[in-house]
Amino acid sequence: GQQVQQSPASLVLQEGENAELQCNFSTSLNSMQWFYQRPEGSLVSLFYNPSGTKQSGRLTSTTVIKERRSSLHISSSQITDSGTYLCAHYQGGRALIFGTGTTVSVSP
Amino acid sequence: ETAVFQTPNYHVTQVGNEVSFNCKQTLGHDTMYWYKQDSKKLLKIMFSYNNKQLIVNETVPRRFSPQSSDKAHLNLRIKSVEPEDSAVYLCASSYDRVYEQYFGPGTRLTVL
Repeated sequence: GQQVQQSPASLVLQEGENAELQCNFSTSLNSMQWFYQRPEGSLVSLFYNPSGTKQSGRLTSTTVIKERRSSLHISSSQITDSGTYLCAHYQGGRALIFGTGTTVSVSP
Repeated sequence: ETAVFQTPNYHVTQVGNEVSFNCKQTLGHDTMYWYKQDSKKLLKIMFSYNNKQLIVNETVPRRFSPQSSDKAHLNLRIKSVEPEDSAVYLCASSYDRVYEQYFGPGTRLTVL
């Protein structure tokens, strides 16, 4: 089965609304990373987040290692936040195991 | 700001042809990776490589091979492309064992 489960699969927001994206891992969590994938496909690293809470602007990531989960909070969403958000964790070694993503669409 | 560079951005070819994609990183990292993103948008590791060790995902067909001239470059060669190779190929890099990875913009391959 899928090692990394992301929810929801898609999300439609009105500009200014907040959103919470979830990531759950079926195996023990070493460290993980959140990415934003632009519509044209390039990946931007948002957070490298072994544990705890990190904030960058309107984005906040919270990872609880022993519960094998991580969340990404978007506050006051903007149209430019539209795209796909991917979480991934590090398998033993170096490989990243990705979730299937949450597609966010923000409308005016 | 991009520090992992990939060429070409797009490539269209026919079944049976050989293709090669380039990746260069200017971050001083010592480990590089190739990932494949299929039509369902799922990203999967294909290879990870540093000057000490090549790790191959066992599901990768033998027609795929990584080629490296130095730690800043890792190219991907596909010997005889097949229709299921149509995908976006993403290159990444990191410091060995430090985990955080940085990605290039991707190469979109279409096999006719």
